[in-house]
Amino acid sequence: EPEVTQTPSHQVTQMGQEVILRCVPISNHLYFYWYRQILGQKVEFLVSFYNNEISEKSEIFDDQFSVERPDGSNFTLKIRSTKLEDSAMYFCASSEGGAVGTGELFFGEGSRLTVL
Amino acid sequence: SQKIEQNSEALNIQEGKTATLTCNYTNYSPAYLQWYRQDPGRGPVFLLLIRENEKEKRKERLKVTFDTTLKQSLFHITASQPADSATYLCALASGYSTLTFGKGTMLLVSP
Repeated sequence: EPEVTQTPSHQVTQMGQEVILRCVPISNHLYFYWYRQILGQKVEFLVSFYNNEISEKSEIFDDQFSVERPDGSNFTLKIRSTKLEDSAMYFCASSEGGAVGTGELFFGEGSRLTVL
Repeated sequence: SQKIEQNSEALNIQEGKTATLTCNYTNYSPAYLQWYRQDPGRGPVFLLLIRENEKEKRKERLKVTFDTTLKQSLFHITASQPADSATYLCALASGYSTLTFGKGTMLLVSP
């Protein structure tokens, strides 16, 4: 069964360092997303991406964050200068249509980011 | 502001009973509502989607109802099993391509 894959599964970094989290969405999906979940908190929307550009983003997704689809398969989230409060599980997801379409999201297993 | 509220306290039930979880929302006019399951340390997994013109949806032991007047969805698991123990998330579309999740309700099914 097709799945969304994420790497790394866990990354530890020093505050101020740049981090890139990688995702391979399901191949025929058109929409890609990043969500994050701080320990014990809810799954929060960061950004959606469609047709090689950002479709929507939340207040959390400030200038420290960027997304890219560098080739036909990968989808990346970059945090330029990590802060302690960026420590969270980051989930990549993909879907065939946008939220007002089929809406069903397929999530990866997440990348746990720990900022020291 | 938009809110999605789910029971924050864990729901403990015995194996074989029906679990009922609640999702209430305010300041949304969703075309549909979704339910996901999340196990500890793992990504959410889609379970069911119900549209605004559907009162009820079933899938195996799962049943979802959607009352747009009450702004509420109920999620039922019949004949519950210990393997059903997880956190269940309610989600609504809050933009063209955005799903917003509730905090979830943890379900614990004891043998």
